[in-house]
Amino acid sequence: AQTVTQSQPEMSVQEAETVTLSCTYDTSESDYYLFWYKQPPSRQMILVIRQEAYKQQNATENRFSVNFQKAAKSFSLKISDSQLGDAAMYFCAYRSAFFTSGTYKYIFGTGTRLKVLA
Amino acid sequence: DGGITQSPKYLFRKEGQNVTLSCEQNLNHDAMYWYRQDPGQGLRLIYYSQIVNDFQKGDIAEGYSVSREKKESFPLTVTSAQKNPTAFYLCASTTGTGGMNTEAFFGQGTRLTVV
Repeated sequence: AQTVTQSQPEMSVQEAETVTLSCTYDTSESDYYLFWYKQPPSRQMILVIRQEAYKQQNATENRFSVNFQKAAKSFSLKISDSQLGDAAMYFCAYRSAFFTSGTYKYIFGTGTRLKVLA
Repeated sequence: DGGITQSPKYLFRKEGQNVTLSCEQNLNHDAMYWYRQDPGQGLRLIYYSQIVNDFQKGDIAEGYSVSREKKESFPLTVTSAQKNPTAFYLCASTTGTGGMNTEAFFGQGTRLTVV
């Protein structure tokens, strides 16, 4: 079974600085998708960035980028020029590319709470 | 605008009561999911449904039931058999296919409290 591990329950960053959130996963599958979701205080889950495992190039979305190391099964999120609005819980998630057990299952990590200091 | 609507936002349940959480989507998505969120435990899968009139148990289905009579709707019933129902519940949907359609869309959640 696949697992997703986020070892940092909480992180802090100074406004305008850069922070990296860690995520590791375990799978025996060769093709899959990885995601970072943001959950602000409103608790609405928002997709931040997505990475397809067969693509070697790291995904970027404006100030957000990932460091995807497939061999190491690592998928970290870098937030540059941190803003107060980035304060939230961040979840790393895995989704198989294969249709198993009747659906595509999403596996979530336990989350990292990011605090942004003014 | 397309999206997922969960209701109510807050729900209180007395001991021994069944309560139903609503989840409606107008995204024309095939797959729908229910997750439970507890502090420090991330999102845990309760039930999922890939098509109408079919659903499967997730990792923590005991004490919960669902139905999928319409593509747009996937209500979750928290029964009296669920011994610790106080939690935040999230409904999600996805097209259920690959490529650029892999994103899961979420509702705003329902906070259930046992009183």
